[in-house]
Amino acid sequence: GAVVSQHPSWVICKSGTSVKIECRSLDFQATTMFWYRQFPKQSLMLMATSNEGSKATYEQGVEKDKFLINHASLTLSTLTVTSAHPEDSSFYICSARDEVADDSYNEQFFGPGTRLTVL
Amino acid sequence: KQEVTQIPAALSVPEGENLVLNCSFTDSAIYNLQWFRQDPGKGLTSLLLIQSSQREQTSGRLNASLDKSSGRSTLYIAASQPGDSATYLCAVTFGNEKLTFGTGTRLTIIP
Repeated sequence: GAVVSQHPSWVICKSGTSVKIECRSLDFQATTMFWYRQFPKQSLMLMATSNEGSKATYEQGVEKDKFLINHASLTLSTLTVTSAHPEDSSFYICSARDEVADDSYNEQFFGPGTRLTVL
Repeated sequence: KQEVTQIPAALSVPEGENLVLNCSFTDSAIYNLQWFRQDPGKGLTSLLLIQSSQREQTSGRLNASLDKSSGRSTLYIAASQPGDSATYLCAVTFGNEKLTFGTGTRLTIIP
């Protein structure tokens, strides 16, 4: 099956610093990737849709200047949390769609997640 | 507004029993529905995906059903095992191709 990786798996940073999270599709190309955020004991909430070669589409209430998304290639999307604050501490999960495979059924494949802790 | 709801939020059953997890959604115009498993502090494991044209999918001890007209899906787990303990998430791809997640059911299998 399709594999999506994330790096790093966890990160601890000081308040005010920026953190970059990478999402890679390892064995398929993805023109569309998605970034989700999950707070403790809550479900996943879509933050933004990352489109290769164009600007990301952000969900209502998500600050695009704070959560910078770059989808520079068909296998890599990055999420940068700028000027991170303790309230940004969360579990960030990406997903990618294999839009080439005939039997993909529009299925999203998820990365293992990145746990961000801002002190 | 397109919403996905899972009831109950938590469920405990003795090992060996069969069980059903429920998922309901507000819009019948769906593209597909997926069931995931999430262990504490971990990412998502995809269990089953049902296309809108399908009524059920089976994998091992798992069987997922889909009834679009009533806006419901169920995940049936047969002969439950302690290793099945996890949070189960239902997610629906509505017509706009965004995946909307349910609130999850935290399942505990009692040895």
